[in-house]
Amino acid sequence: SAVISQKPSRDICQRGTSLTIQCQVDSQVTMMFWYRQQPGQSLTLIATANQGSEATYESGFVIDKFPISRPNLTFSTLTVSNLSPEDSSIYLCSVNRAEAFFGQGTRLTVV
Amino acid sequence: KQEVTQIPAALSVPEGENLVLNCSFTDSAIYNLQWFRQDPGKGLTSLLLIQSSQREQTSGRLNASLDKSSGRSTLYIAASQPGDSATYLCAARDSNYQLIWGAGTKLIIKP
Repeated sequence: SAVISQKPSRDICQRGTSLTIQCQVDSQVTMMFWYRQQPGQSLTLIATANQGSEATYESGFVIDKFPISRPNLTFSTLTVSNLSPEDSSIYLCSVNRAEAFFGQGTRLTVV
Repeated sequence: KQEVTQIPAALSVPEGENLVLNCSFTDSAIYNLQWFRQDPGKGLTSLLLIQSSQREQTSGRLNASLDKSSGRSTLYIAASQPGDSATYLCAARDSNYQLIWGAGTKLIIKP
């Protein structure tokens, strides 16, 4: 199993600002995954974060808007930049063992 | 391309009833299928993981089945309780090892 601590659990941010979300895993993992869940929707993969290399972004997501850091094998951050109300979502980090494990989620509201 | 569908989108039942949630997938070439629970505004909790070679998994009052030939998985909840109220998501891990998500079933258990 894996235990993931994700912070913050929620935040309300002004337009044009940025929010950085942190995920700490209790064991080393090669890949960490960042998801977005828009209101009433299922999960969409934003990017895969590998330690020591650039993150791999899915179609529709770009590094300038969603910069990711992966300084070591237990930690990653996702920044959502230049916020607009359309960015209001739940953001989740995840790791894989035999099964997928998730952090507690960050509920972002942009006003 | 793998697609995952969950029906119904919402379900409301009285406390104490047994119920079944459905998950269907279009491509039988999956590594595994996982069921999750999500409380409002929160992250995902893994409930059950069924490997492609397995037919079912059980945890307490929960039983998940997998029928690859028909492209179906079901989550059976016995003796439902108000605390079971949540959104239930299924995800199939496809041949590229990517998780493909259903849209979820929102379950309400009425006291």
